[in-house]
Amino acid sequence: DAGVIQSPRHEVTEMGQEVTLRCKPISGHDYLFWYRQTMMRGLELLIYFNNNVPIDDSGMPEDRFSAKMPNASFSTLKIQPSEPRDSAVYFCASSPRATGELFFGEGSRLTVL
Amino acid sequence: GDSVTQMEGPVTLSEEAFLTINCTYTATGYPSLFWYVQYPGEGLQLLLKATKADDKGSNKGFEATYRKETTSFHLEKGSVQVSDSAVYFCALSPYYGGATNKLIFGTGTLLAVQP
Repeated sequence: DAGVIQSPRHEVTEMGQEVTLRCKPISGHDYLFWYRQTMMRGLELLIYFNNNVPIDDSGMPEDRFSAKMPNASFSTLKIQPSEPRDSAVYFCASSPRATGELFFGEGSRLTVL
Repeated sequence: GDSVTQMEGPVTLSEEAFLTINCTYTATGYPSLFWYVQYPGEGLQLLLKATKADDKGSNKGFEATYRKETTSFHLEKGSVQVSDSAVYFCALSPYYGGATNKLIFGTGTLLAVQP
């Protein structure tokens, strides 16, 4: 069975550029999450969706970050403009129900120079 | 607010040693508790969970008991293997009158098992 698929796996960009991270959740999962992982702050929940609707975006750091889920099989996290402090591993996860059992993708490692 | 505190690593053990990774939590209501594991270069995977007081979660030789009186959910394994080397995250899912999926993670504990 296919798991959560993220792309790109690695992205190196320069400060000020737009970055788009993509995620395909597991089919049939109603919840989708975006997490950010850094050494300094650990794992932070940025936003999560239920049935394609954003439920909680209180973790989105600032207006430079935006996330969309146009349909049940695709989500994007966009950073515009990017800054060096955005360098992190961004994880997408999906879940079939509200049990706390999340299925994580392999992550997208972002480096902003 | 709700939070999770887990012991800092790294934890370095020899193969077949006993493992304990401490985790305590602060939460209102009746949270569910989880241990997730992250192997190098991979995403997190659910290792075990417990949804109410005195429940014991177990998987792959790991176990943890939900202790409401001490607000703890310590992870244990009787005999670790080199393949257990990974980062272990304790997490809670708050219960606000209904189950939620909003996981709050601890900072993670790196376990290194030497042959």
